[in-house]
Amino acid sequence: QSVLTQPPSASGTPGQRVTISCSGSSSNIGSNPLNWYQQLPGTAPKLLIYGNNQRPSGVPDRFSGSKSGTSASLAISGLQSEDEADYYCATWDDSLNGWVFGGGTKLTVL
Amino acid sequence: QVQLVQSGAEVKEPGASVKVSCKASGYTFTTYPIHWVRQAPGQRPEWMGLINTGNGNTRYSQNFQGRVTITRDTSPSTVYMELSSLRSEDTAVYYCARQRGYFGYDFGRWFDSWGQGTLVTVSS
Repeated sequence: QSVLTQPPSASGTPGQRVTISCSGSSSNIGSNPLNWYQQLPGTAPKLLIYGNNQRPSGVPDRFSGSKSGTSASLAISGLQSEDEADYYCATWDDSLNGWVFGGGTKLTVL
Repeated sequence: QVQLVQSGAEVKEPGASVKVSCKASGYTFTTYPIHWVRQAPGQRPEWMGLINTGNGNTRYSQNFQGRVTITRDTSPSTVYMELSSLRSEDTAVYYCARQRGYFGYDFGRWFDSWGQGTLVTVSS
């Protein structure tokens, strides 16, 4: 059983808005800020969102994050072909005393 | 600019050890902790542990306790991750990542820069 649960896949057409969910528990998402990473094939993860909803410099404002209780979401508006990648949520887990990652969502731009 | 450059791919036999390096540049090395995260083929990233680059203190994932050792040299600015008693399930890409933020900060902690990854293959 995964600590952080994400849908395995998501898809949309160019220009559409898509959301990716991440569900956890009180010991992780419920008590710690959540981060999102984008991973293109064969490359290292890249920070997309930190602290639930903060964008690092250089990340387009098409990407936004939110959190409520023990769940979080990543929204991508104005979908572009270059957004096709794997997306992972991650946070600290107080019970496991370690960082945990979601199972990843593969985004396909149709 | 911030760079984390890792050592090259390794092939090891079961039971052996591997040591991967991560050289940091573009910032004050001792300011930010460095973490190690591995990713097996087609799997989610898995956190292994971290080192406080200032004082050398470490913290390890329960999943790797006793098998992983993370060390650092302040000159040059390099962090090392050694994994022992390798088995086929340890075949993965190993990444180092720099931590920003801190425990108790409103925005928490996050990994803002990552190394390019080192493929470790365990096979007889």
